[in-house]
Amino acid sequence: EVQLVQSGAEVKKPGESLKISCQASGYIFSTYWIGWVRQMPGKGLEWVGIVYPEDSDTRYSPSFQGQVTISADKSINTAYLQWSSLKASDTAIYYCARENRGGYFFDYWGQGTLVTVFS
Amino acid sequence: QVVLTQSPSASASLGASVKLTCSLSSGHSTYTIAWHQQQPQKGPRFLMKLDSDGSHIKGDGIPDRFSGSSSGTERYLTISSLQSADEADYYCQTWGAGVRVFGGGTKLTVL
Repeated sequence: EVQLVQSGAEVKKPGESLKISCQASGYIFSTYWIGWVRQMPGKGLEWVGIVYPEDSDTRYSPSFQGQVTISADKSINTAYLQWSSLKASDTAIYYCARENRGGYFFDYWGQGTLVTVFS
Repeated sequence: QVVLTQSPSASASLGASVKLTCSLSSGHSTYTIAWHQQQPQKGPRFLMKLDSDGSHIKGDGIPDRFSGSSSGTERYLTISSLQSADEADYYCQTWGAGVRVFGGGTKLTVL
């Protein structure tokens, strides 16, 4: 059974750094793209970016390029999303999701990580 | 770049059927999309992949009440025998030029 388990909720202050995680199981982690999706309060889904764990090839949405860093550690089947300097506007739920090999769509989702940034 | 357009809301009665629409921007009639469901206070769940010819592959455990169809730049999700649990937000998703794209979502209310 494919499972994506994300790290717990975070409360941070503006300017702080943060790294959240997504641990995968039930499939060969290194051979599937895994991505991140943002959902701001009361809003829709936004694609952040994606990483291929086998070689760490990474793609970003133009809206998020330079704002976040996506990475993966295939030795522990875990993908990461990190910020070097958080802003209040980063407050959102962040979902990780596995991308299907038969097309560039997500077929399994994590439970989400709530990130709250306020002073 | 491809754009997906969805109506913000839809409603239908318990036990009835509803057809939700996802419109691809002009010139993208051959694109495949995916449908996802997000129930209140939950994460999204993959429903199906839907090709331009209407063929679709559903995710694990998705009941037969959910089906997909296509016409030109329109992609449809039909839910029959509506249940209260179907009240949710429904998002379509596609990809192009190296990026993945979501529609704005449709909030389905079951009356």
